[in-house]
Amino acid sequence: ETGVTQTPRHLVMGMTNKKSLKCEQHLGHNAMYWYKQSAKKPLELMFVYNFKEQTENNSVPSRFSPECPNSSHLFLHLHTLQPEDSALYLCASSQRTATGETDTQYFGPGTRLTVL
Amino acid sequence: AQKITQTQPGMFVQEKEAVTLDCTYDTSDQSYGLFWYKQPSSGEMIFLIYQGSYDEQNATEGRYSLNFQKARKSANLVISASQLGDSAMYFCAIRMNSGYSTLTFGKGTMLLVSP
Repeated sequence: ETGVTQTPRHLVMGMTNKKSLKCEQHLGHNAMYWYKQSAKKPLELMFVYNFKEQTENNSVPSRFSPECPNSSHLFLHLHTLQPEDSALYLCASSQRTATGETDTQYFGPGTRLTVL
Repeated sequence: AQKITQTQPGMFVQEKEAVTLDCTYDTSDQSYGLFWYKQPSSGEMIFLIYQGSYDEQNATEGRYSLNFQKARKSANLVISASQLGDSAMYFCAIRMNSGYSTLTFGKGTMLLVSP
């Protein structure tokens, strides 16, 4: 198993459903990230976990709930989503020092989410 | 706040030719890193090349090189000898080296390589 993996690769859900996206990194990194990529928009950072602690939450609606049980796994729990939440959700990981400097971010293949 | 501008929404190149993808950035910090990523239609963001703001030499990784012009705040990606598999979206990104900084991405350039 190499790099950063994400499951599922594709997800279709209704607005009342609850689902979770999973990310796993096999690089020994200590920081993990969730990004959202909507059509024709730059990648938007959603959450950052540094040494398993959430250090950033970029004004993400509460219908998105992250969870980082350990430095290798990251989840994004979804509930009562809206159609405009349809996007590609990308997970990334990197190695951060105690002073905050970070190495290159490596990305997973993404989960393409469609909300009906 | 930092900003990345990629002015070319799309570029076309013939196989085996070289192509330059433009990237300009805006930051008041002195210490930062610049990255290029490739995103094929499959969706995965693939890291290509990195340039530190204090690096005196332009970064190179195989067929990829970064034309770094610090005074102009420019970090163009040069792909030599294009291949059909190079067809993808290309994103430029910047990261400050201070504190818990994260990546800021540009809107990307779609590159199409034709036979």
